[in-house]
Amino acid sequence: GESVGLHLPTLSVQEGDNSIINCAYSNSASDYFIWYKQESGKGPQFIIDIRSNMDKRQGQRVTVLLNKTVKHLSLQIAATQPGDSAVYFCAEGVQGGKLIFGQGTELSVKP
Amino acid sequence: KAGVTQTPRYLIKTRGQQVTLSCSPISGHRSVSWYQQTPGQGLQFLFEYFSETQRNKGNFPGRFSGRQFSNSRSEMNVSTLELGDSALYLCASSYRTSGVNEQFFGPGTRLTVL
Repeated sequence: GESVGLHLPTLSVQEGDNSIINCAYSNSASDYFIWYKQESGKGPQFIIDIRSNMDKRQGQRVTVLLNKTVKHLSLQIAATQPGDSAVYFCAEGVQGGKLIFGQGTELSVKP
Repeated sequence: KAGVTQTPRYLIKTRGQQVTLSCSPISGHRSVSWYQQTPGQGLQFLFEYFSETQRNKGNFPGRFSGRQFSNSRSEMNVSTLELGDSALYLCASSYRTSGVNEQFFGPGTRLTVL
């Protein structure tokens, strides 16, 4: 398959700290990128997206950065809260509305 | 607006059987995509439907099929189930008519094949 899911990398942060989750994408032609949050037993929940004509986009407590030169995407979460604990997926949009997902990163927030 | 709904939420089948899963998209969304999620392979794209037509397909065998109805509701079918088909099957809807934009996911159907 195109999405490789091995052992999930884990990021552990203290409540109130900022979190940075990184993602590398594969297709230079991808022009749309999106971050999802998935809590146990639920479907992925949309967080923020960005198109390739932008380098940065901000939402509420979240910022996505796109570096097309090195095909790298990052999600920054400000003032991380226990409710932010989840698995975070990046995905790139390719032709035909297809999303290719990264393996995911598990974020654990310590109170 | 109600979110994407999927039925049933849980399903247990045995090898060789077939199964049909249902998805109702967000009102007004005409694009429905299906994904399979497993611990080993992560989230993988199955297919996408728009206006009752399959527009894109992932790398899955022909045992996996789908369809979309005129009200945008979609079903996917898996025939001759194998143990490896055990997974969370996710449906996502989008308002896109062309290109790609955000997809909103349902809670998924957890399929267990014994």
